[in-house]
Amino acid sequence: NAGVTQTPKFQVLKTGQSMTLQCAQDMNHEYMSWYRQDPGMGLRLIHYSVGAGITDQGEVPNGYNVSRSTTEDFPLRLLSAAPSQTSVYFCASSLGTPRDEQFFGPGTRLTVL
Amino acid sequence: AQTVTQSQPEMSVQEAETVTLSCTYDTSESDYYLFWYKQPPSRQMILVIRQEAYKQQNATENRFSVNFQKAAKSFSLKISDSQLGDAAMYFCAYRGSNDMRFGAGTRLTVKP
Repeated sequence: NAGVTQTPKFQVLKTGQSMTLQCAQDMNHEYMSWYRQDPGMGLRLIHYSVGAGITDQGEVPNGYNVSRSTTEDFPLRLLSAAPSQTSVYFCASSLGTPRDEQFFGPGTRLTVL
Repeated sequence: AQTVTQSQPEMSVQEAETVTLSCTYDTSESDYYLFWYKQPPSRQMILVIRQEAYKQQNATENRFSVNFQKAAKSFSLKISDSQLGDAAMYFCAYRGSNDMRFGAGTRLTVKP
């Protein structure tokens, strides 16, 4: 199993550009989520999904869109990048209950100039 | 909204000694789960230990144990016989029905 994979590992954008961060898992997990990690603030939940076709907002959803058309994939879209979105982004997945361990991808470091 | 607070930005411990990392949280939910994650310089998030709120018994995983005080909303992590490989950022996390909240983290240094 590859676990949770994220692409790209690094990305530099200009303000106003759009892009999609890819996340895939091969563990047949129902729950998937996106976090951003900023210095001194830990991880903050952006969006999550409890299954294909179902998504919901987390703590910091503004400026990001998600969709979940398959169990395996959960892409995160930045519609119009802003410098405030410079961060490290983590995708995670787990089985369907809150007690289940979340498995994290390796992260994407995004810089918006 | 639920909040998680880690009041120790940095801690250090001598190799083979014991260290305790603090975490408090705020919630109105009765059913929830608490986690400690480790993030080494590789940036990979690794689950260290989890605690179910409905269980009074403190969780233990080898050298890692927690002191869970539900009434005080406190969830500290004790690392015994510290090893150089324990050096990392440690995050306390709360998970309710679907939302997951992390603390700001504690950077642990292990001195040889």
